[in-house]
Amino acid sequence: SQELEQSPQSLIVQEGKNLTINCTSSKTLYGLYWYKQKYGEGLIFLMMLQKGGEEKSHEKITAKLDEKKQQSSLHITASQPSHAGIYLCGADAGGYQKVTFGTGTKLQVIP
Amino acid sequence: DTEVTQTPKHLVMGMTNKKSLKCEQHMGHRAMYWYKQKAKKPPELMFVYSYEKLSINESVPSRFSPECPNSSLLNLHLHALQPEDSALYLCASSQAGTNSPLHFGNGTRLTVT
Repeated sequence: SQELEQSPQSLIVQEGKNLTINCTSSKTLYGLYWYKQKYGEGLIFLMMLQKGGEEKSHEKITAKLDEKKQQSSLHITASQPSHAGIYLCGADAGGYQKVTFGTGTKLQVIP
Repeated sequence: DTEVTQTPKHLVMGMTNKKSLKCEQHMGHRAMYWYKQKAKKPPELMFVYSYEKLSINESVPSRFSPECPNSSLLNLHLHALQPEDSALYLCASSQAGTNSPLHFGNGTRLTVT
């Protein structure tokens, strides 16, 4: 089965600082999703990356996919308290709609 | 606001009870999912329905019984649960096929006493 390891496990940053979260897969990535979750709530879809080298941005969040490294990164520019939450990467194991999730990164942003 | 609605938001049940979790989506999606999430862990896949047919069962105990009455509804019937089944149960939907992002509901917080 596909395993997704995220780093760091948790992150505390000052408001206005930039940060990066990494997601590394044990298998070839055919596509990768990034989600955000607030405690006890559902997952909010952020973006999907499908091709090696692809980069997408939404507001102050940018995600990249490096197929060769089987890795994706999520970068937040000028962090705000509203960015706080748990960030999860997810991948579909070979196209069977069997989406598994990474270990998660808990982000706290201090005003 | 989520376009996938789950009810109830909270549920407390005894080990001998029978209860059901409900999920509804109106996005025209033909794939629906149940996930289980324990505290401080990522969601774990339980079941996938594609075109109202069960396509994936991740070796879930039979005390959990899924049902997909139509393309908009997904139920999870619960019977004789154990305290370790207490968790957040998340429903999701997506377009059928590969590389279609899942859209999640806000979950049902289940406590088994």
